[in-house]
Amino acid sequence: DTGVSQNPRHKITKRGQNVTFRCDPISEHNRLYWYRQTLGQGPEFLTYFQNEAQLEKSRLLSDRFSAERPKGSFSTLEIQRTEQGDSAMYLCASSLALEGQGEGYTFGSGTRLTVV
Amino acid sequence: DQQVKQNSPSLSVQEGRISILNCDYTNSMFDYFLWYKKYPAEGPTFLISISSIKDKNEDGRFTVFLNKSAKHLSLHIVPSQPGDSAVYFCAAKANRRGNTPLVFGKGTRLSVIA
Repeated sequence: DTGVSQNPRHKITKRGQNVTFRCDPISEHNRLYWYRQTLGQGPEFLTYFQNEAQLEKSRLLSDRFSAERPKGSFSTLEIQRTEQGDSAMYLCASSLALEGQGEGYTFGSGTRLTVV
Repeated sequence: DQQVKQNSPSLSVQEGRISILNCDYTNSMFDYFLWYKKYPAEGPTFLISISSIKDKNEDGRFTVFLNKSAKHLSLHIVPSQPGDSAVYFCAAKANRRGNTPLVFGKGTRLSVIA
C-alpha cells in the first residue's frame, strides 16, 4: 500500500464545466475526508465518510458539490458548474478510527483545480 | 470564527538553533492536537501529536507542549535543520467526546537558514 492516492494531480477547466476527482485511501482505513486548501489558508473541511456512509458535510459544501464512497473504498468528489472561486487544492485524507484512540490522518498529494 | 489560530505567518531560524512554533485554540472540546508539515505541491505530512491527558510529547528533535488552561500548544524543533523548512500546520479535534474532523490553523512558514 503506497498511501493515499489522488487523481488527477492537476485539472484546468473552463468555468461552468463539471469536474470529478478521485481518492484511493489506505486500504485498511475506515474513514475518508475531503478538505480544500486555498493560498494562505490551512486545509478546510468539506466532508467525511465512515465506510460508505457520509457522516458530515461542511457549510462550505454547496449543492454544486457531491461526494460518494461506494462500497467504502475509493471516493469521488464532483463539482458541477465550476466557478473561479472553486480554484483550490483539494486534499483527501484517510484514517483508522479506533475507539478511545487518537486519530491521525494520512493525506494524499492533492488535486490542484484551476478554473479559467 | 477561527477555532485554531497560528498568529505567526512566518519564522526564520538559523541552522542548529531552536525553532518554536505556536498555536492557540478556542474550542474547549478539543482533546487531541497534531502538527503537520507541508512542502509545496504535496499534501500535509503528520509530524507529532498530543492528547489532552498529557502536557508534553517528544519524538526525536520534535517536542510538542500543551497548556490546557491557556489553550495553547507549541512545537519545538531542536536543532533546526535546513530540511525542516516548510509550512507547519497546527490541527485539533474532539476525540473522546464525539468525533469532529480536524480543524487546521492557517500555518506558519518556517525557514531554516544555513
